[in-house]
Amino acid sequence: GAVVSQHPSWVICKSGTSVKIECRSLDFQATTMFWYRQFPKQSLMLMATSNEGSKATYEQGVEKDKFLINHASLTLSTLTVTSAHPEDSSFYICSATTSGDTGELFFGEGSRLTVL
Amino acid sequence: GQNIDQPTEMTATEGAIVQINCTYQTSGFNGLFWYQQHAGEAPTFLSYNVLDGLEEKGRFSSFLSRSKGYSYLLLKELQMKDSASYLCAVKDSNYQLIWGAGTKLIIKP
Repeated sequence: GAVVSQHPSWVICKSGTSVKIECRSLDFQATTMFWYRQFPKQSLMLMATSNEGSKATYEQGVEKDKFLINHASLTLSTLTVTSAHPEDSSFYICSATTSGDTGELFFGEGSRLTVL
Repeated sequence: GQNIDQPTEMTATEGAIVQINCTYQTSGFNGLFWYQQHAGEAPTFLSYNVLDGLEEKGRFSSFLSRSKGYSYLLLKELQMKDSASYLCAVKDSNYQLIWGAGTKLIIKP
């Protein structure tokens, strides 16, 4: 199956700093990538949908100026958490689809962010 | 509103069979997914149903009834490694994925 790689797996940062998370599709071109956040014992929460070459579509309640998403190529999308605060500590997961709207989602390994 | 319901937690015995139910109310339907998620890891794909009926894949099977807004995931010959959360997700009329909260499955020896 298709492989999505996410980096870093773990990151600890100080409050007020920015953190960038990368999501790469290794063996396919991902026209659409999705960014999720998951708090402990809760389900995935879609943050934004990222299409290559265009601005990301953010879900209601997600601050686009705080969570910057860039999808510059068909194999790379990045999520930057700007001015991180402890409440941003969470498990961030990206996923990509290989085809159209009904395609299976392939998930990255996830990135656990801890903001001190 | 859109809603996916599945039990919060289930317990089963190694070697047994367990059925995890999922009911949904969504604006339109374009397929239902089951994913497995081990603690601290990303979800992995298990199954996809878009037509009514049973899809079998090894020890795992998934069933769908669109008229009832209902699906189940059946796990046979349970192994300890099957201890995980199982997420039900439905694509609505806009092809947006609506996620259930997940069912934590605990396997006991």
